[in-house]
Amino acid sequence: DVKVTQSSRYLVKRTGEKVFLECVQDMDHENMFWYRQDPGLGLRLIYFSYDVKMKEKGDIPEGYSVSREKKERFSLILESASTNQTSMYLCASNGGGEGPGELFFGEGSRLTVL
Amino acid sequence: GQSLEQPSEVTAVEGAIVQINCTYQTSGFYGLSWYQQHDGGAPTFLSYNGLDGLEETGRFSSFLSRSDSYGYLLLQELQMKDSASYFCAVREGGVNTGFQKLVFGTGTRLLVSP
Repeated sequence: DVKVTQSSRYLVKRTGEKVFLECVQDMDHENMFWYRQDPGLGLRLIYFSYDVKMKEKGDIPEGYSVSREKKERFSLILESASTNQTSMYLCASNGGGEGPGELFFGEGSRLTVL
Repeated sequence: GQSLEQPSEVTAVEGAIVQINCTYQTSGFYGLSWYQQHDGGAPTFLSYNGLDGLEETGRFSSFLSRSDSYGYLLLQELQMKDSASYFCAVREGGVNTGFQKLVFGTGTRLLVSP
């Protein structure tokens, strides 16, 4: 089975803390994505990467950065967490061998910033 | 920019048929995907339309009209387990067609009652 694993299901952090959200996929996928999901707003793309060490801004990159040092791992970084970054964060991946519109999602990381 | 519109909520009874519409405005359109998400779960891929017409997968069908910037998901023989949120997502490509991102709508919550 294909698998996208996010390191933490639930996190509670304080304002100003640096936060790392880790995502690992075991499908040898080229493309990886970070979305955040908020009620009534759907899934919004934060950053994505189509190759190691490559990154592209999505629709809401402000306040976030990413790192992709290895093909299977894509990390989302909140340099200084703020309360408006309280959200569900979803990592996803896909590759050339999959259907063109198909993403595989992790279970999500619910972040609360106090 | 891009925008996708879908109804926020739809209700139906078991055994019925329901259609969830999606209209979009985007540049670089390559196709329309549909995802299902149960409460507390990850989004899972249902279908993809790259060309106009109907795609059928069991009880679910999806339709696309690129000239109308419109698509829909049709769910037949509804079951209680179909109660979930459904998202349409536009595939936007880059210069390299192997590189893609999905932009999601805000989701439609489907409630199936006995």
